[in-house]
Amino acid sequence: GAGVSQSPSNKVTEKGKDVELRCDPISGHTALYWYRQRLGQGLEFLIYFQGNSAPDKSGLPSDRFSAERTGESVSTLTIQRTQQEDSAVYLCASSLDPSGYNEQFFGPGTRLTVL
Amino acid sequence: AQSVTQLGSHVSVSEGALVLLRCNYSSSVPPYLFWYVQYPNQGLQLLLKYTSAATLVKGINGFEAEFKKSETSFHLTKPSAHMSDAAEYFCAVSGASGTYKYIFGTGTRLKVLA
Repeated sequence: GAGVSQSPSNKVTEKGKDVELRCDPISGHTALYWYRQRLGQGLEFLIYFQGNSAPDKSGLPSDRFSAERTGESVSTLTIQRTQQEDSAVYLCASSLDPSGYNEQFFGPGTRLTVL
Repeated sequence: AQSVTQLGSHVSVSEGALVLLRCNYSSSVPPYLFWYVQYPNQGLQLLLKYTSAATLVKGINGFEAEFKKSETSFHLTKPSAHMSDAAEYFCAVSGASGTYKYIFGTGTRLKVLA
């Protein structure tokens, strides 16, 4: 596709349930990022993938959060035993390479609401 | 360590007036700087970026930003605001090669008054 896509666009779940969010990056982009954006706040870095290298998980807020990426394709962010404070928009971005020179292209986000 | 500070979480301007959104950064290496815009219920879209070429950078929709090393600033401007400019704007910094993390500011919500 032409851009980064994310699914679902909206997810409402009950506290304690697990959720899985999906990101399809732009083809050929080796770097992939996940961010969390709470209402009225900036972007909070969660995790970074680069090719087959070990991911940078330093931004994951707890062990309930995990993410996977197979090669340079789709990534999934999983939140186990969701809590109300997990409610946020989860944004995925990809870039051509991790040089810092190339801009990140963002998906439309998944709005997660935990009741 | 790198950081970004955006002064003013909310800015209001009249239609046709100058838009000025402030961004200051700190970086121990020559930075790359970006401005992104986020329209309601959408992802972030790149407005412009500075990558050590010209210090005055022109972007889309009539926006521009000037890199001032002495002031460690990268303020975003537009001579004449349009209603369609109402959105949230994020400044971001990344370092030279080897530093893949982008540090985003907390954002400035721009309101354009008729």
